Amino acid sequence: GENVEQHPSTLSVQEGDSAVIKCTYSDSASNYFPWYKQELGKRPQLIIDIRSNVGEKKDQRIAVTLNKTAKHFSLHITETQPEDSAVYFCAAGGGGADGLTFGKGTHLIIQP
Amino acid sequence: SAVISQKPSRDICQRGTSLTIQCQVDSQVTMMFWYRQQPGQSLTLIATANQGSEATYESGFVIDKFPISRPNLTFSTLTVSNMSPEDSSIYLCSGAGGHTEAFFGQGTRLTVV
Repeated sequence: GENVEQHPSTLSVQEGDSAVIKCTYSDSASNYFPWYKQELGKRPQLIIDIRSNVGEKKDQRIAVTLNKTAKHFSLHITETQPEDSAVYFCAAGGGGADGLTFGKGTHLIIQP
Repeated sequence: SAVISQKPSRDICQRGTSLTIQCQVDSQVTMMFWYRQQPGQSLTLIATANQGSEATYESGFVIDKFPISRPNLTFSTLTVSNMSPEDSSIYLCSGAGGHTEAFFGQGTRLTVV
């Protein structure tokens, strides 16, 4: 089955700086790669996703890149703000019909 | 995007008993899934809830322990049977369909005492 590795487990950055979280996956059949933000006590919220026919996607301060050959994808957050502090999960799946395999999560801390 | 209502939001249960969690989606979705999130951990897929047929379970999860129903395209239940303290966790349902991204219910925080 699919295996998703996520790094780092904890990331502390100064407010205004950029944050990068990286994930690798094992199953070349995976074609859907979402990123979720989870605040304490709340449900995971989709923040951005990318499909395998696209190499990069951007939404305001958030971007995701995908390298299918190397089987890795990354989340980039620019101009970080205190409200970006949360746990971020990457995931991989077949897209719609399949459930998702999640990485272990990254605790992002934005230092004021 | 669609909204999932999940209930109960939390419960404290005695060991050996069972709890049924319900999820209602406000629009039809092709797929519904159930996940478990242990405290401070990531999400693990339990099973895919198939409409009108038996659920498809992931390795390590069995129907006797986690029976699932999905009588129509907008509703599903997960039962946690014969509970033990190790079942204490957050259980989340998810819906997805076509090019609709997977979205989650608010979760059920289960504590088994």
